Amino acid sequence: QQQVKQSPQSLIVQKGGIPIINCAYENTAFDYFPWYQQFPGKGPALLIAIRPDVSEKKEGRFTISFNKSAKQFSLHIMDSQPGDSATYFCAASDTGRRALTFGSGTRLQVQP
Amino acid sequence: KAGVTQTPRYLIKTRGQQVTLSCSPISGHRSVSWYQQTPGQGLQFLFEYFSETQRNKGNFPGRFSGRQFSNSRSEMNVSTLELGDSALYLCASSLGGTTGETQYFGPGTRLLVL
Repeated sequence: QQQVKQSPQSLIVQKGGIPIINCAYENTAFDYFPWYQQFPGKGPALLIAIRPDVSEKKEGRFTISFNKSAKQFSLHIMDSQPGDSATYFCAASDTGRRALTFGSGTRLQVQP
Repeated sequence: KAGVTQTPRYLIKTRGQQVTLSCSPISGHRSVSWYQQTPGQGLQFLFEYFSETQRNKGNFPGRFSGRQFSNSRSEMNVSTLELGDSALYLCASSLGGTTGETQYFGPGTRLLVL
């Protein structure tokens, strides 16, 4: 019940495209849903996060869509750039444990 | 403000040995969490420390342990190393460890067990 399922495993888009990464969870106690970006040789860095009382959140070119009833959330990257090429992880945590449960990651490649 | 630092960055050990990894959180942060990252299992939570006390623990064997000092610096120890312990070990810090706080990750320590 602690799992967070992420898809796709990898994604290739052209510059300017809008990659979409999807995540689904089972644990209804989860109440915080961040997305992390990781470049090779670096630790994950927070991109954007959402709470379940909000259906959408935008920060710059990054948008999270959240569907509480379906227990799904997704990341959209507008006007993607080659510099966005990285691995993206969705995650979830609950107030009781605070520990992040991560999805399996999506390797994004944005071609020039 | 300096980020989360981890030492050493790379480590090679042999089976049966033990290893200690160190993490210095961002100044003012009191919560330190440890994660293991492997290609097969992804990112998995090991444990979290706050004010020198372990608050949460993931599903790892007792060979994995940690501690936190009064200055919030943290160490994790793995005893009797196994080949499967080869991984990137990430430390993350946050202010007080409440849900919704940003966890800032360090660059990790890459451990190779031969």
